[in-house]
Amino acid sequence: EAGVVQSPRYKIIEKKQPVAFWCNPISGHNTLYWYLQNLGQGPELLIRYENEEAVDDSQLPKDRFSAERLKGVDSTLKIQPAELGDSAVYLCASSFRGNSPLHFGNGTRLTVT
Amino acid sequence: AQSVTQLGSHVSVSEGALVLLRCNYSSSVPPYLFWYVQYPNQGLQLLLKYTSAATLVKGINGFEAEFKKSETSFHLTKPSAHMSDAAEYFCAVSGDTGRRALTFGSGTRLQVQP
Repeated sequence: EAGVVQSPRYKIIEKKQPVAFWCNPISGHNTLYWYLQNLGQGPELLIRYENEEAVDDSQLPKDRFSAERLKGVDSTLKIQPAELGDSAVYLCASSFRGNSPLHFGNGTRLTVT
Repeated sequence: AQSVTQLGSHVSVSEGALVLLRCNYSSSVPPYLFWYVQYPNQGLQLLLKYTSAATLVKGINGFEAEFKKSETSFHLTKPSAHMSDAAEYFCAVSGDTGRRALTFGSGTRLQVQP
């Protein structure tokens, strides 16, 4: 089976600019996650979707971050405007259902200058 | 609430030596526990998982972990380290029999010396 696909792999932007990340989960996986991974740390959950519904977005900084999963398949995560502290790796993961193992994409490494 | 503590941000072993990576968890409900491995510039790959069946869990690449409820631990071991085991390892917990999103530890970087 194809894995979780994320794009772009790398993104460099100036602060205050907008940026968007895209994720295509494994086919048939209903649950989709966005995690943030700072250098030298473990991933931290930003948002979790069950199909197209965001069931846990308590850690998403809603003043500048937004996410959508309109048809319950692929998803986009947006930051507007980006800040220097947003430099990190953004990981997307999917699972068949909420209590199944997660499958991760290779991530998008964001650098804000 | 759920959390994970990984003791030791860096562990170095010689090739062929025992690997022991420590993980302690906190969960107010029965946990599911996981170990993931991350190679440079890649996403995380599942090594093994505990889901309330056998307390000794065998995973890929010769790794195994033992769930000890009395010690709230889920340490990862491998009898003989290989150079290819050098990577970052993350322990994670999902409470409520896995119905909550994973909470990850801060990771342990394993170095394998020749």
